[in-house]
Amino acid sequence: GIQVEQSPPDLILQEGANSTLRCNFSDSVNNLQWFHQNPWGQLINLFYIPSGTKQNGRLSATTVATERYSLLYISSSQTTDSGVYFCAVEGAGNMLTFGGGTRLMVKP
Amino acid sequence: DVKVTQSSRYLVKRTGEKVFLECVQDMDHENMFWYRQDPGLGLRLIYFSYDVKMKEKGDIPEGYSVSREKKERFSLILESASTNQTSMYLCASSPTPPGGFFGPGTRLTVL
Repeated sequence: GIQVEQSPPDLILQEGANSTLRCNFSDSVNNLQWFHQNPWGQLINLFYIPSGTKQNGRLSATTVATERYSLLYISSSQTTDSGVYFCAVEGAGNMLTFGGGTRLMVKP
Repeated sequence: DVKVTQSSRYLVKRTGEKVFLECVQDMDHENMFWYRQDPGLGLRLIYFSYDVKMKEKGDIPEGYSVSREKKERFSLILESASTNQTSMYLCASSPTPPGGFFGPGTRLTVL
């Protein structure tokens, strides 16, 4: 099956700092999503991004499908950005494969 | 390794049938979730549970119910399956504070 790797596994930022999270995948995919898991464990969809660049407020994401990676940018981080960020790819059969996540802590 | 297992990878049912989707985790996590994934709609939360015999509605609970009689098992029930419930169903398990452990998904087709 498809392998999905995320880096870094852990990240600590000072409030106001910018960061880049990376997701590498091992095969062609039909789609790619970025999620934020909030402190209550719920997954919140951030981006549905099989290719190209999208922006939503302080967050943006870029997927380069030909090179099999995606980046999530967080600018001017806030404490509410803390949590775990997951990348998930949709391969054959529309099955989702999740990466291991990046645990982000933003300190005030 | 933490494992979250779902009872079936693929399931085909007929309209009106009662459907049980089982999810089992082996890491003593308090929190368990059921989502459905549809093209263009992303992942949507159906129900979640923070403890045994406890359940909370998510964003789209209509047409579904859940059962959590034991900590390790969280079941999703379709009382009377309909074609619009054809989807991929994903179970997740999470400790407190949350990490993320996901089952392989169940592709349900209702004919």
